[in-house]
Amino acid sequence: GQQVMQIPQYQHVQEGEDFTTYCNSSTTLSNIQWYKQRPGGHPVFLIQLVKSGEVKKQKRLTFQFGEAKKNSSLHITATQTTDVGTYFCAGHGGSQGNLIFGKGTKLSVKP
Amino acid sequence: NAGVTQTPKFQVLKTGQSMTLQCAQDMNHEYMSWYRQDPGMGLRLIHYSVGAGITDQGEVPNGYNVSRSTTEDFPLRLLSAAPSQTSVYFCASSPDVSGGRETQYFGPGTRLLVL
Repeated sequence: GQQVMQIPQYQHVQEGEDFTTYCNSSTTLSNIQWYKQRPGGHPVFLIQLVKSGEVKKQKRLTFQFGEAKKNSSLHITATQTTDVGTYFCAGHGGSQGNLIFGKGTKLSVKP
Repeated sequence: NAGVTQTPKFQVLKTGQSMTLQCAQDMNHEYMSWYRQDPGMGLRLIHYSVGAGITDQGEVPNGYNVSRSTTEDFPLRLLSAAPSQTSVYFCASSPDVSGGRETQYFGPGTRLLVL
């Protein structure tokens, strides 16, 4: 079945450093979504990527979808303490398939 | 507009007890789902529904039952709780019936401890 792998599992950074999490699917995706979960909270939708090679930005966050639509990345420039949380990617294979979530990358930021 | 609501927020059960986790949404979404979240395991799909009267199994359905009698409500039942069901449970809804082409709106979660 479809699998979505996400690395790294944990990332500890100093405030102001950059952060990147990577997501890889075993199959071609129709779209990929990214979610953020604050400690003790619930996942909150960040963005969806649909097109091959698509790049979207949200302030300091940059999201990319690979040309083959099998991988994606989330890059945060100059992390802040408010970026703390777990970031999940979720891939959709299309048709009636459900979203498959990666295991998430837990980001901690040292002030 | 409350979005997705879940009750209770916390629950402690003894092995073998049964309970129902409630989930409701007021966005008129056809697609609803239940996930469990365990440390290092991400979000795993338990059951989902694409509309009233229609339910199907996800990745980890064993030990759980669901029903969907209305568009708004999607309760999750544990028939005989086991310690392995200790987890955080999230309900989610989406305007897309495929469950994957639109935003998933998550409820605040239910933290369940089975002793």
